Amino acid sequence: KNEVEQSPQNLTAQEGEFITINCSYSVGISALHWLQQHPGGGIVSLFMLSSGKKKHGRLIATINIQEKHSSLHITASHPRDSAVYICAGPTNTGNQFYFGTGTSLTVIP
Amino acid sequence: DSGVTQTPKHLITATGQRVTLRCSPRSGDLSVYWYQQSLDQGLQFLIQYYNGEERAKGNILERFSAQQFPDLHSELNLSSLELGDSALYFCASSARLTAGELFFGEGSRLTVL
Repeated sequence: KNEVEQSPQNLTAQEGEFITINCSYSVGISALHWLQQHPGGGIVSLFMLSSGKKKHGRLIATINIQEKHSSLHITASHPRDSAVYICAGPTNTGNQFYFGTGTSLTVIP
Repeated sequence: DSGVTQTPKHLITATGQRVTLRCSPRSGDLSVYWYQQSLDQGLQFLIQYYNGEERAKGNILERFSAQQFPDLHSELNLSSLELGDSALYFCASSARLTAGELFFGEGSRLTVL
């Protein structure tokens, strides 16, 4: 069983749809990262959060520390949002760093 | 541009060989992480250095080693290479020891033939 689980694994949406990707973790994580990886392979950090909610443009990330759960929302999705989204984080002790298996998002025009 | 530079971008070598991957962190960042991304394993954490010292070790094989130099650049050494070592190797830097925003390099794609 992975320490960090994501759902869904694959997601296809029509342009303009509201999208939610979920991340649950079973270990104590000091800060939860949401990463975006485009087909070319490069990784971009979207958010780092340890509590509450953050918003950047059409992207919103939330985290519930007690429930060990985080969500990434994309409003008004666009084909350029097509990518793999990965949640990840270091343990509270800082001696390990876990990654989810990623959610592959395809947004159709 | 994340400010993190990785070289080489692509590397093809043979089994049994040794290679060195280099990472220059973002200016001012003291923390460097190394990650491996293979097709069958996804992203895995290898090792973290902070200000020249090893601070965390993940799923790094004994054939692999790393170090961070006084100028804060880091090198990942992979030896006795096997076919299964073919992967994308990313480094990321952060200003903090833990819970800091991560800035990723573009990765080094290693192919072992």
